[in-house]
Amino acid sequence: GDSVTQMEGPVTLSEEAFLTINCTYTATGYPSLFWYVQYPGEGLQLLLKATKADDKGSNKGFEATYRKETTSFHLEKGSVQVSDSAVYFCALRDDKIIFGKGTRLHILP
Amino acid sequence: EAGVVQSPRYKIIEKKQPVAFWCNPISGHNTLYWYLQNLGQGPELLIRYENEEAVDDSQLPKDRFSAERLKGVDSTLKIQPAELGDSAVYLCASSLEFGSDAFFGQGTRLTVV
Repeated sequence: GDSVTQMEGPVTLSEEAFLTINCTYTATGYPSLFWYVQYPGEGLQLLLKATKADDKGSNKGFEATYRKETTSFHLEKGSVQVSDSAVYFCALRDDKIIFGKGTRLHILP
Repeated sequence: EAGVVQSPRYKIIEKKQPVAFWCNPISGHNTLYWYLQNLGQGPELLIRYENEEAVDDSQLPKDRFSAERLKGVDSTLKIQPAELGDSAVYLCASSLEFGSDAFFGQGTRLTVV
């Protein structure tokens, strides 16, 4: 069945560092891909998405490109802030939405 | 515009007791989801509704879990009887239709003691 694998956390970075959170997927069809973020004490929020191969999703300085050849959707940000500390979930949607296990990100001032 | 509203936010019950969670989706959203999120894991789908019809309940443990969405708006998820392993966060989400962006509520954190 479909699945999502993302890098395990926690990931700890200093402010202004470059961020990459890896995400790969397995799907029989042509899914849409998502990154959701969960800030402390809050619900899941859609961060960005891409619906077809080579699409790039972006929001709040974060980017991810749908790579069909490597079945990947890695999340990147050029300069992280303390306020980016949260749990990040990679997800795909085919006939249902399937999430990865989440990656906790800590940004140190 | 109000987002997805869930209540209660927290619930502590003794094992073997019943419990119910309530979800009010975003107005006009036809698709409603219930997810289970265990600690340190990603959300897992329990059930999906299209209006008042449950179209995917394959992951719902039907021996103890039940759900309803009367009139295709609000939904309730019930567990009877609860077990220790049911301790988790129960998330509700809605979307305009299946295939459009899903918006999540803050969840109900259930602790079974």
